[in-house]
Amino acid sequence: AQKITQTQPGMFVQEKEAVTLDCTYDTSDPSYGLFWYKQPSSGEMIFLIYQGSYDQQNATEGRYSLNFQKARKSANLVISASQLGDSAMYFCAMREASSGNQFYFGTGTSLTVIP
Amino acid sequence: KAGVTQTPRYLIKTRGQQVTLSCSPISGHRSVSWYQQTPGQGLQFLFEYFSETQRNKGNFPGRFSGRQFSNSRSEMNVSTLELGDSALYLCASSLVGGTNEKLFFGSGTQLSVL
Repeated sequence: AQKITQTQPGMFVQEKEAVTLDCTYDTSDPSYGLFWYKQPSSGEMIFLIYQGSYDQQNATEGRYSLNFQKARKSANLVISASQLGDSAMYFCAMREASSGNQFYFGTGTSLTVIP
Repeated sequence: KAGVTQTPRYLIKTRGQQVTLSCSPISGHRSVSWYQQTPGQGLQFLFEYFSETQRNKGNFPGRFSGRQFSNSRSEMNVSTLELGDSALYLCASSLVGGTNEKLFFGSGTQLSVL
């Protein structure tokens, strides 16, 4: 089974609108971390936001927030007030305490912000 | 503070050759991981080094190897290159590799095997 599933290969959003990128995960480890990264065409992976499995509140980082629904095993990324510079690939990733330091990545969602 | 530095940025090799990629982590980071990114397979974990020891290894053939030096710099080697090894190779570092630690990535080395 896939550890991380991102079901939206491509998404479009109007500039200044909000957009939600979906991510579901699969683990039996009670201790894990969920991460979102952005990859522009330049190739570098840029960290956006982190949510720990024991965190009670949803994580927020500026225009990014993570909608963490533990029972449903989902960790959707919400980008508010989209900007043209948000156009990129977005990857959801998980690290389990039991799997060492390996990150499991989803297949990514390509986001295009339309002016 | 300088970020993760990977060299070279681009490489072109032919089948059967071998290649060495280099990664300098952020100062103070002792955990270095390598990932392979291809359009077909996505991002796949190669291995992770901590204090000069390989701590974790992904599901790749023995042609893929790595090492870490005492200054935490890391190299990755691929021997007997195959066409399918063409990929973006990303190096990432973190302090000690804890569950809640984010990875800091370099810009990657784009390897093309002809």
